[in-house]
Amino acid sequence: NAGVTQTPKFQVLKTGQSMTLQCAQDMNHEYMSWYRQDPGMGLRLIHYSVGAGITDQGEVPNGYNVSRSTTEDFPLRLLSAAPSQTSVYFCASRPHSGTEAFFGQGTRLTVV
Amino acid sequence: QQQVKQSPQSLIVQKGGISIINCAYENTAFDYFPWYQQFPGKGPALLIAIRPDVSEKKEGRFTISFNKSAKQFSLHIMDSQPGDSATYFCASTMDSSASKIIFGSGTRLSIRP
Repeated sequence: NAGVTQTPKFQVLKTGQSMTLQCAQDMNHEYMSWYRQDPGMGLRLIHYSVGAGITDQGEVPNGYNVSRSTTEDFPLRLLSAAPSQTSVYFCASRPHSGTEAFFGQGTRLTVV
Repeated sequence: QQQVKQSPQSLIVQKGGISIINCAYENTAFDYFPWYQQFPGKGPALLIAIRPDVSEKKEGRFTISFNKSAKQFSLHIMDSQPGDSATYFCASTMDSSASKIIFGSGTRLSIRP
């Protein structure tokens, strides 16, 4: 099992560009989520999904879109990148019946 | 809105000492309190967790103390080792498939040899 796989690991964007951060899990987990990690701010929830076709907003959703067409994949889209979106992004998944979240290795995004 | 407050932001402990990290939560509906450990360049991973029906849970050198009336819980690392140097996050959630996990702001722990 690969667990939770995020791509790319590093990305530099120019202000105004768009891109998609990929997240895939092979554990058949229903629940998936995206967090951003900033110094002194901990992990803040961007968007989450409780199953295919169902998504909802977290604490800091502005500037991001998500979709969940399959159980395995949960991509995060940056519509028009801004320097404030410079951060490390983590995708996590957990099963319907469990409470432990499994995290990917993260994507370090820099917006210049 | 910060529903889980964590302190200190950083902590330096001598090898063999006790590391203590504190958290406070606001939502009394939370019923599951995990601690996650994160090494540089890696994603967080579950370390230990507690439910509010017990006041303490111990796994090896790691202990969670839970005070339901004060809405506080803490992580104690006994005989701290250099390999424990990492960032630690407390979190709170409800035992529901639709519940969100709310994380604290993190504590960067350094164990000096």
